[in-house]
Amino acid sequence: AQKVTQAQTEISVVEKEDVTLDCVYETRDTTYYLFWYKQPPSGELVFLIRRNSFDEQNEISGRYSWNFQKSTSSFNFTITASQVVDSAVYFCALSEVFYNNNDMRFGAGTRLTVKP
Amino acid sequence: KAGVTQTPRYLIKTRGQQVTLSCSPISGHRSVSWYQQTPGQGLQFLFEYFSETQRNKGNFPGRFSGRQFSNSRSEMNVSTLELGDSALYLCASSYMDRAETEAFFGQGTRLTVV
Repeated sequence: AQKVTQAQTEISVVEKEDVTLDCVYETRDTTYYLFWYKQPPSGELVFLIRRNSFDEQNEISGRYSWNFQKSTSSFNFTITASQVVDSAVYFCALSEVFYNNNDMRFGAGTRLTVKP
Repeated sequence: KAGVTQTPRYLIKTRGQQVTLSCSPISGHRSVSWYQQTPGQGLQFLFEYFSETQRNKGNFPGRFSGRQFSNSRSEMNVSTLELGDSALYLCASSYMDRAETEAFFGQGTRLTVV
């Protein structure tokens, strides 16, 4: 069965520090998709990135970067030079293609607090 | 382009009552999924609709139901409300129903059952 683990419940950093949010997943499917979403206090989940299981290239988008390693079933998210506006709950999610559906399985989330 | 709209934003109901929540997806999106978010259980998948058909259902009791209309708008209904149904209910819309489709979420409906 698909499972996503975000072991870090809460992280607190001071502005301008780098921070890495961990995500470990389990799946029996060979084709799957991984996602990161941000949930600010307003409530809606904001899409950050999607990565398919065949693309292990790391990705960088501004201060955000993602490290996908199939060998360790991990899809970690790093924020460089964090800012107060990065404070939110971050979710990692997994979708298995075999079932051909949108049943995204979410991790428990990591609450990031960036202090000025 | 308008985002996903959920109404109402907040709702207070009494145990035993029923409630209907509404979700208007992004124009052109045909898939709508519903999630329940609680502090204890996190984000849990309720069901997904695509072109008016329920494609997948999570592990929730039959008191939770939904439907999708021809314009892709969706409603979910919870009957015989229990205190444990208090949660943030999130709706997500996608262009297609495949797993790799990016999902856009609404701001949710916060339901409080008293």
